[in-house]
Amino acid sequence: DAKTTQPTSMDCAEGRAANLPCNHSTISGNEYVYWYRQIHSQGPQYIIHGLKNNETNEMASLIITEDRKSSTLILPHATLRDTAVYYCIVRRAGGTSYGKLTFGQGTILTVHP
Amino acid sequence: GAVVSQHPSWVICKSGTSVKIECRSLDFQATTMFWYRQFPKQSLMLMATSNEGSKATYEQGVEKDKFLINHASLTLSTLTVTSAHPEDSSFYICSARRGFPNEKLFFGSGTQLSVL
Repeated sequence: DAKTTQPTSMDCAEGRAANLPCNHSTISGNEYVYWYRQIHSQGPQYIIHGLKNNETNEMASLIITEDRKSSTLILPHATLRDTAVYYCIVRRAGGTSYGKLTFGQGTILTVHP
Repeated sequence: GAVVSQHPSWVICKSGTSVKIECRSLDFQATTMFWYRQFPKQSLMLMATSNEGSKATYEQGVEKDKFLINHASLTLSTLTVTSAHPEDSSFYICSARRGFPNEKLFFGSGTQLSVL
């Protein structure tokens, strides 16, 4: 699976958009970009994933650059409950090894009042 | 949505005893489950892949005789930490794979193990 690079930490004001970047310059054509987050002392929570088109769901938006070498997770209106570690993971969808996720250090997002 | 239940949420045990952690998929069958370990202020590390009806596959450096995994049914996988020592104290997390047509991965809420 391709390696990802994320900033160690970011701050965001409550109510503002939080934009979390991820670099994955070695991504392969059949690899998806997945985002998970982990709130303190809980299991990871799936947020969103995409291949090459921008994606949006009830939690967030995912913007993937045209060359697919980087992406940005957008939380449109951050709340205090969005404070968590956000993990960007690149891997193939499906397959026998689906689920064997390699977690990097992620980005610690702190949302301030 | 699909839920994965992990039990217990936390456990304290004496050194030398064994501890069993359960991971259940509540509304789907999971032929494959995964066990992760997370030390304080570190990321999750995959320990093993649990396959229903067959032996688990362990990641390099994980002692299979110390971390016993049993996946006896399509909805239950257990991780037993045998002869626990203080260095085994960690946050253990399971995940379950829901297969096609809506393939997705769901995580349990984790188990905090403290070995005294």
